[in-house]
Amino acid sequence: GQQLNQSPQSMFIQEGEDVSMNCTSSSIFNTWLWYKQEPGEGPVLLIALYKAGELTSNGRLTAQFGITRKDSFLNISASIPSDVGIYFCAGQNNNDMRFGAGTRLTVKP
Amino acid sequence: DTGVSQDPRHKITKRGQNVTFRCDPISEHNRLYWYRQTLGQGPEFLTYFQNEAQLEKSRLLSDRFSAERPKGSFSTLEIQRTEQGDSAMYLCASSLGVWGGGYTFGSGTRLTVV
Repeated sequence: GQQLNQSPQSMFIQEGEDVSMNCTSSSIFNTWLWYKQEPGEGPVLLIALYKAGELTSNGRLTAQFGITRKDSFLNISASIPSDVGIYFCAGQNNNDMRFGAGTRLTVKP
Repeated sequence: DTGVSQDPRHKITKRGQNVTFRCDPISEHNRLYWYRQTLGQGPEFLTYFQNEAQLEKSRLLSDRFSAERPKGSFSTLEIQRTEQGDSAMYLCASSLGVWGGGYTFGSGTRLTVV
């Protein structure tokens, strides 16, 4: 089963709003990653974080690797309709990558 | 190279039948992973290969499941005597094996057992 607790499960927002989602774990991870999955497709890597405390941006996306190495958050600024999808956090130690259950994002135009 | 390819994209089978899925990873990637994803959940690890060696298998991989990567390139995942509980999306991913590097996923094979 899932070892990562991701919240919220779903979000319904207006276009232009900012979004924040987070992920916590009882285990320490060396790498935190955020993926986006659209219907009928596999997850696509958005951001990878390699160091505790690291803050990384990718366009309108910003993610942070928690200092305890047990959590991470993802922010999306100024959301647009194409941000719709399911966002997954993942924690990785070597070849062991575990996923959260996902946050389903709906953006209303 | 266009990424990780999976075939077929969809498979509907009757309970008790055997099915086989294929994954072609990114050519220079030496590591290949199989995950299973059910509705409303994140991907769950099944097994992984480094080149042709299967190095780890999850407890989710029952005796009815077998995976191979005979020449260290493409991989197959076979499910024997399928059950309705096997219905899921089966995802393949590959990586270069660089420390902490993310995986590149394929589009998956959606299996429906009726």
